[in-house]
Amino acid sequence: GQNIDQPTEMTATEGAIVQINCTYQTSGFNGLFWYQQHAGEAPTFLSYNVLDGLEEKGRFSSFLSRSKGYSYLLLKELQMKDSASYLCAVIDSNYQLIWGAGTKLIIKP
Amino acid sequence: NAGVTQTPKFRVLKTGQSMTLLCAQDMNHEYMYWYRQDPGMGLRLIHYSVGEGTTAKGEVPDGYNVSRLKKQNFLLGLESAAPSQTSVYFCASSSPERGSYNEQFFGPGTRLTVL
Repeated sequence: GQNIDQPTEMTATEGAIVQINCTYQTSGFNGLFWYQQHAGEAPTFLSYNVLDGLEEKGRFSSFLSRSKGYSYLLLKELQMKDSASYLCAVIDSNYQLIWGAGTKLIIKP
Repeated sequence: NAGVTQTPKFRVLKTGQSMTLLCAQDMNHEYMYWYRQDPGMGLRLIHYSVGEGTTAKGEVPDGYNVSRLKKQNFLLGLESAAPSQTSVYFCASSSPERGSYNEQFFGPGTRLTVL
């Protein structure tokens, strides 16, 4: 079966750095997305990786290792508004998006 | 640009009642999707459409029907609602254009409770 694993919840301090991991086992791989979802709101696109390596976009970076079936989202200089759930999703061989359950990130002052 | 809109935002149904959720997008996207999101679970695809007049089943299609009569609209129907269909429903759209990520753009969600 297809599976995406993320930690259920993480806590970090304002101003710090946090890394949210995602491991996947899917039938094929055609890319990986990270989305942010604030409580009660819709998911919004953060990043896309299809090749190995690090993609940096401001305070957020996303890393991919296809051989290890592994990705992480790195958030720097954490702000209170970064409190949200972070969803990892993989495009499989049928070009279907397989979603992880999400990681709830709690930021403390 | 309104993006993706959903109607209604909230609804309470009794078991056995029917209803239709409407999704509209003004981005001229080819692909549209209906998901449900339940606590502790990832988004699960109910049905999707790759173009006007076409629909396909996703991961959890039972108890739902869809129609895509116009490119900008995607309707999700519940013929006989059950308490197991209590969930938050998200519509999304995307466009597989060359050079794009084909990322999905989501509507605000519909919170449905079936008593």
